[in-house]
Amino acid sequence: AQTVTQSQPEMSVQEAETVTLSCTYDTSENNYYLFWYKQPPSRQMILVIRQEAYKQQNATENRFSVNFQKAAKSFSLKISDSQLGDTAMYFCAREGTYKYIFGTGTRLKVLA
Amino acid sequence: DTGVSQDPRHKITKRGQNVTFRCDPISEHNRLYWYRQTLGQGPEFLTYFQNEAQLEKSRLLSDRFSAERPKGSFSTLEIQRTEQGDSAMYLCASSPLKGLSTEAFFGQGTRLTVV
Repeated sequence: AQTVTQSQPEMSVQEAETVTLSCTYDTSENNYYLFWYKQPPSRQMILVIRQEAYKQQNATENRFSVNFQKAAKSFSLKISDSQLGDTAMYFCAREGTYKYIFGTGTRLKVLA
Repeated sequence: DTGVSQDPRHKITKRGQNVTFRCDPISEHNRLYWYRQTLGQGPEFLTYFQNEAQLEKSRLLSDRFSAERPKGSFSTLEIQRTEQGDSAMYLCASSPLKGLSTEAFFGQGTRLTVV
């Protein structure tokens, strides 16, 4: 089965601290894309960061970085210097054939 | 181009009625996806279009659901004989067929409430 698993339904972090969101996935393909999406309350889903599987270097976008472990099929998101605006649902996703497969999400709350 | 546009944003309907949603993808995006999202859950795949061809349809999609993408531009999703279990956010997304960028760009969704 093609699955994406996020084992942390909810997390909280103090403003300016660092938090890591976990994601594991299943695939039989060798090259594929992985994504983290952010969905703020009542707002549309936007891309945070993406990783191409054949690239060994972990992707980084400003305060957001990933720890991609291909053999372990693990794709965690690290948010540094957390800001109140980071409060949102975060979804891990993998691009499959004709679809994107999403995890169940992690609700992140940044505390002032 | 302002991104993926969905209409209406909200729809309240009585059980048994038919509803139709529209999605306008980013221009020149060949790929178009429909997803359903219930509260606190991740988006669940419904169907995929490549240009005007519907290439994938979820087995979870009952025959009350139908989608079209005439001329490979906008798409419509129709739900016939709505049920309370159809209440959800319906998301549309698009992506280019070629190029380095493969992420899906999402619209703001249509929130359906069946009463």
